Amino acid sequence: SQTIHQWPATLVQPVGSPLSLECTVEGTSNPNLYWYRQAAGRGLQLLFYSVGIGQISSEVPQNLSASRPQDRQFILSSKKLLLSDSSFYLCAWSPMQGTYEQYFGPGTRLTVT
Amino acid sequence: GENVEQHPSTLSVQEGDSAVIKCTYSDSASNYFPWYKQELGKRPQLIIDIRSNVGEKKDQRIAVTLNKTAKHFSLHITETQPEDSAVYFCAATFTDKLIFGTGTRLQVFP
Repeated sequence: SQTIHQWPATLVQPVGSPLSLECTVEGTSNPNLYWYRQAAGRGLQLLFYSVGIGQISSEVPQNLSASRPQDRQFILSSKKLLLSDSSFYLCAWSPMQGTYEQYFGPGTRLTVT
Repeated sequence: GENVEQHPSTLSVQEGDSAVIKCTYSDSASNYFPWYKQELGKRPQLIIDIRSNVGEKKDQRIAVTLNKTAKHFSLHITETQPEDSAVYFCAATFTDKLIFGTGTRLQVFP
């Protein structure tokens, strides 16, 4: 069966520091991968998605970037965090071939101080 | 443009009553419509979905209906229980993405 991992689970970082969040999927090949952000009490904002290695589509570039160095690995980065980056970050995967259902990872709760 | 509207934003019901959440979508090419349940501090969980070639789907106490002509779909929960309390999100496909509604906070009072 398929499993999605995210780490770290929680993170406290100072303003201006860099960020790297990692997401990996097990038990599947060629998944579509997604990064979402969810502010407290709010909805899901799509940040990036990827349909293959090295292929990244950006929805909300701002000061964030994403990379997909391996088929089942998706990384969310920032060079300098802002206070407004405090949020719940969720990675999701979807099987290819147009099935569309997405499954979310456990999330990373980021607090920027 | 890509847009999914969801209402109501909050819904309070008595245990045992039914709850209905409605969504409308803008892209007539959308062909997959999932519903997610998110409990406080946890990840969204897929609870039911429907594809554009089906008008209704049921799984125990939850059901989803789709009206392609009107471009709207609904989640129906019958015999609500306190453990149904959560935030529910609808979504619709747009190319390789899911566009999510803004969520409905459902509270079921015992």
